[in-house]
Amino acid sequence: EVQLVESGGALVQPGGSLRLSCVGYGFDFNIYSLNWVRQAPGKGLEWLSYITGSSHIIKYADSVRGRFTISRDNAKNSLFLQMNSLRAEDTATYYCVRSVGHYDYWGRGTLATVSS
Amino acid sequence: DIVMTQSPDSLAVSLGERATMNCKSSQSILSSSDIKSYISWYQQKPGQPPKVLIWRASTRESGVPDRFSGSGSGTDFTLTISSLRAEDVAVYYCLQNYTFPRTFGQGTKVELK
Repeated sequence: EVQLVESGGALVQPGGSLRLSCVGYGFDFNIYSLNWVRQAPGKGLEWLSYITGSSHIIKYADSVRGRFTISRDNAKNSLFLQMNSLRAEDTATYYCVRSVGHYDYWGRGTLATVSS
Repeated sequence: DIVMTQSPDSLAVSLGERATMNCKSSQSILSSSDIKSYISWYQQKPGQPPKVLIWRASTRESGVPDRFSGSGSGTDFTLTISSLRAEDVAVYYCLQNYTFPRTFGQGTKVELK
C-alpha cells in the first residue's frame, strides 16, 4: 500500500526555520516526482514545490522561492522541505504529494504554525 | 501564471440530484502533443487530505464511483456528480498540471439541501 507520512510541523516564531520530512512507503520512491502542497486553516490548496525522482528538476511557487528548499534522499525514501524566514502567512498544513502528472497520493499532512 | 476559477463557490443539492460545478482556466491547458487537457479534480472531506477523482479532464481514477464524471477541453471544464450521496458532501478543487506553477481553483463546497 502506498503511504506518505509527513513530520516536522511545529510552532515557530516569525523569522524562524522548520524542516519538514516525508517518508514514502509501498512504491519505488526514487522514480516518482513529489510535491509539497499547503493549506492554510479554513482555506484552499496552494502548490509550493516540485522535485523529480532524480532531483534534476526543481520548481517553486513565487510565494516561497528563496525561502524554502525542497530536497530528497532516495536511499531513505525521504522528501524534505527546509523552510526559512517563516512568516505568519506560512501557517498551514503541509502535504507531501506524489505526482504522475496528476496528484495520485497525498500524505495526511503536518501542521506548521508561525506565531509569536 | 494560469488562474483557475471555480464556480459556484458553494452548491446545495438534494440527495439523488445532480451536482454540477465548473472550472475555468485563464489560458488553454490543452496539450497539442496528445490533445489532452491537463486538469484534475480532487475531493476533500473535513479533516482529510484531498483525493483525486478525475485526471486529464475526463479520466476517472481507479476506484472512484461512476457517478463522478469530468468533461471539457481547452479552458472550460465541468465536474458532475450524477446522483448525490451523503458521502459526497465535501469541497472539490480543480488543478492545472499543464505548466508551472501548478495552480488550484479556490474550491466549490457541496452541501446537502
